[in-house]
Amino acid sequence: SQELEQSPQSLIVQEGKNLTINCTSSKTLYGLYWYKQKYGEGLIFLMMLQKGGEEKSHEKITAKLDEKKQQSSLHITASQPSHAGIYLCGAVPRREYGNKLVFGAGTILRVKS
Amino acid sequence: NAGVTQTPKFQVLKTGQSMTLQCAQDMNHEYMSWYRQDPGMGLRLIHYSVGAGITDQGEVPNGYNVSRSTTEDFPLRLLSAAPSQTSVYFCASTDSLAKNIQYFGAGTRLSVL
Repeated sequence: SQELEQSPQSLIVQEGKNLTINCTSSKTLYGLYWYKQKYGEGLIFLMMLQKGGEEKSHEKITAKLDEKKQQSSLHITASQPSHAGIYLCGAVPRREYGNKLVFGAGTILRVKS
Repeated sequence: NAGVTQTPKFQVLKTGQSMTLQCAQDMNHEYMSWYRQDPGMGLRLIHYSVGAGITDQGEVPNGYNVSRSTTEDFPLRLLSAAPSQTSVYFCASTDSLAKNIQYFGAGTRLSVL
């Protein structure tokens, strides 16, 4: 089965600093999804990447997909307390699996103000 | 627009008890799924449904039953609760096969004593 490894497991950054979270797959990626979770809440969809080299941005969050490395990165510029939470990547295991996602263990982000 | 609604938000059970976690969506999505989230393990797929009357097993189905009599509802039944089922349970529905963006409920936090 496909495994997604996220790094780091957790990090604490000073408000205003940039940070990057990585998601590496053990198998070919057919779709990569980034979600954010706040304690006590469900997962909120951030971005979806489907093609190698694709890059998407939403406010101060940018995600990239490197198909050759089977890896995606999530970059936050000028972090704010509102960015704190758990970031999870999810991927489609096989092309025909369509709706099934496997998820990484998540990265816990804390932002110190 | 309520999205995906899960009830209850919290539940404590004794070993051996049974219960049903409710999930309802008002987005007319065909695909729905149940995940459990445990520390350090990310989200794992329990059961999923591609439409009313059709369900299938995910990665960790043992101890759980599902049914899908309507498009809107996808309840998860714990047949005989065990301490290993202590977890946070999330229900999700998907907008379309093409995009596969999953929308999550707020979760049910279950403790089995």
